Amino acid sequence: GAGVSQTPSNKVTEKGKYVELRCDPISGHTALYWYRQSLGQGPEFLIYFQGTGAADDSGLPNDRFFAVRPEGSVSTLKIQRTERGDSAVYLCASSLTASFYNEQFFGPGTRLTVL
Amino acid sequence: AQKITQTQPGMFVQEKEAVTLDCTYDTSDQSYGLFWYKQPSSGEMIFLIYQGSYDEQNATEGRYSLNFQKARKSANLVISASQLGDSAMYFCAMRELNTGNQFYFGTGTSLTVIP
Repeated sequence: GAGVSQTPSNKVTEKGKYVELRCDPISGHTALYWYRQSLGQGPEFLIYFQGTGAADDSGLPNDRFFAVRPEGSVSTLKIQRTERGDSAVYLCASSLTASFYNEQFFGPGTRLTVL
Repeated sequence: AQKITQTQPGMFVQEKEAVTLDCTYDTSDQSYGLFWYKQPSSGEMIFLIYQGSYDEQNATEGRYSLNFQKARKSANLVISASQLGDSAMYFCAMRELNTGNQFYFGTGTSLTVIP
């Protein structure tokens, strides 16, 4: 389909391991957003990209979290030394531009479980 | 302070009846947008309806309407003629023009439509 896709859909890892979560935005969308949704909560903003650069990373909880978008399309969220508290659904969204007026389209999310 | 408050963790409605999901917001910006998203058990966030802070008329999209009361800072979602497929989590969200492009989400309301 032509929507936002995220892989893997589920990821189980052990405490202390490194994980990568991938997001494929809608073709032509220049803005890409990452959110984290903990159980029973609404999504919380992590970071957003305009093109290749991180325009706002103020939502990243600490320096174990990092995200890249090297070619301005696919993005990877990287989590080092995972902790049990990192368990959540990680949602990606894209929009045509970063304009306030553009709708954000969400992917199905990656459910991360840290044992 | 919470940017978005949803005080109804769970709601029940009879099929074909109307239901109102409450949302209040907190912002000092003059320019902002209010959104409602539906999240079924599959996890994807589905955009339902948008209301801009300068819109004088309440937004409507099919069976969805937004009861916007700016002075009270409320943006309640009204679903008319409920259907079984409306059973899902519903999230109210806000974007502020002057503080970036992220969404602020509420904690959500779980709606169950009873046949």
